[in-house]
Amino acid sequence: GAVVSQHPSRVICKSGTSVKIECRSLDFQATTMFWYRQFPKQSLMLMATSNEGSKATYEQGVEKDKFLINHASLTLSTLTVTSAHPEDSSFYICSASPQQGGNYGYTFGSGTRLTVV
Amino acid sequence: AQSVTQPDIHITVSEGASLELRCNYSYGATPYLFWYVQSPGQGLQLLLKYFSGDTLVQGIKGFEAEFKRSQSSFNLRKPSVHWSDAAEYFCAVVDFGNEKLTFGTGTRLTIIP
Repeated sequence: GAVVSQHPSRVICKSGTSVKIECRSLDFQATTMFWYRQFPKQSLMLMATSNEGSKATYEQGVEKDKFLINHASLTLSTLTVTSAHPEDSSFYICSASPQQGGNYGYTFGSGTRLTVV
Repeated sequence: AQSVTQPDIHITVSEGASLELRCNYSYGATPYLFWYVQSPGQGLQLLLKYFSGDTLVQGIKGFEAEFKRSQSSFNLRKPSVHWSDAAEYFCAVVDFGNEKLTFGTGTRLTIIP
């Protein structure tokens, strides 16, 4: 079945530094990838949608300059949290869709726990 | 805009007992609906999905869900729960136009011996 690998699973960084999270589709090509943020005991909030080779589309209220998304290939999307602050600490999850339109076969990564100290 | 409501924040059931998790949706057309399960600190695993056809959908791990258009519901059921079913369960609906998933707030399932 479709597998999405997300790395790292946990990261601790100092306030003011940047952190990159990778999301890879291992056995399929992902035209579209989605990035979510999840606060403790809460639901998933969509941050942005990335399409291979084009700029990401950010949800309202998400700072595009803080959360940089790059989808350079059909198997890799990255989320970079720039100048991280403690309030950016959260659980970040990516998902990938194997083809454009009509499939809705979303596969989720295992998530990244970011702690900013 | 579409929305999903999961009325139960937390449910506790005994191992071996039956389970029903509620999900109500709001969507202008025929919805595509999903149930996902999330173990602590993990991503989401798809349990089942409804696109069209038979309104009773079978999924993995012995789960099933029934789509009821008249009630705008897509409730998840399992006849006999196992301790390993303890997790967070999310119902979701997809927006056809942009393929975005909208999730409910989740139901945390606790299993007691």
